[in-house]
Amino acid sequence: DAGVIQSPRHEVTEMGQEVTLRCKPISGHDYLFWYRQTMMRGLELLIYFNNNVPIDDSGMPEDRFSAKMPNASFSTLKIQPSEPRDSAVYFCASSLRLLGYGYTFGSGTRLTVV
Amino acid sequence: DQQVKQNSPSLSVQEGRISILNCDYTNSMFDYFLWYKKYPAEGPTFLISISSIKDKNEDGRFTVFLNKSAKHLSLHIVPSQPGDSAVYFCAATISGNTPLVFGKGTRLSVIA
Repeated sequence: DAGVIQSPRHEVTEMGQEVTLRCKPISGHDYLFWYRQTMMRGLELLIYFNNNVPIDDSGMPEDRFSAKMPNASFSTLKIQPSEPRDSAVYFCASSLRLLGYGYTFGSGTRLTVV
Repeated sequence: DQQVKQNSPSLSVQEGRISILNCDYTNSMFDYFLWYKKYPAEGPTFLISISSIKDKNEDGRFTVFLNKSAKHLSLHIVPSQPGDSAVYFCAATISGNTPLVFGKGTRLSVIA
């Protein structure tokens, strides 16, 4: 199994541009999570899906952020327009269940907004 | 407001000695706790967990202690090895029915 695959690994974009981060979860995992890592806040949950349905998006910081999961093998996190304070590492994780020891994280996307 | 707190951003320990990483939580509903380990340019990986019905869980060189009354847990690594150098995240959940809430992480450096 290739694990959770995120793309791109690095993204540098100018303020105001649209950014799309992509994630392919592990096949058979019912849960998908988007986390963001910053120095100030650590790893914070943005949104999670169960069977492709968004369950809790209360962690999404602003309306500029949106996430979709059109099928069981693909999810996107979009920021439009992007701002410098969005610079962070964004992780996608998938799991068979909510219980935490089963989370498998991708390698992350390092986003830099200049 | 951080529900899971790791107040030490970094820790440096000599090889062979004990590493102790601390974590505090504020939500008394949390009853299952985990430690994740993260190397640079990789995602976090699960290390060890503990349920609130226990006060200790051991796995090889790694032991997690839970003090429910103090809402505190700690991860002990004995003996520490250079390969243990990583960022360690403490996380918590309510009965495994809520997504993990993570702390800010502690960067451990094990010096040879």
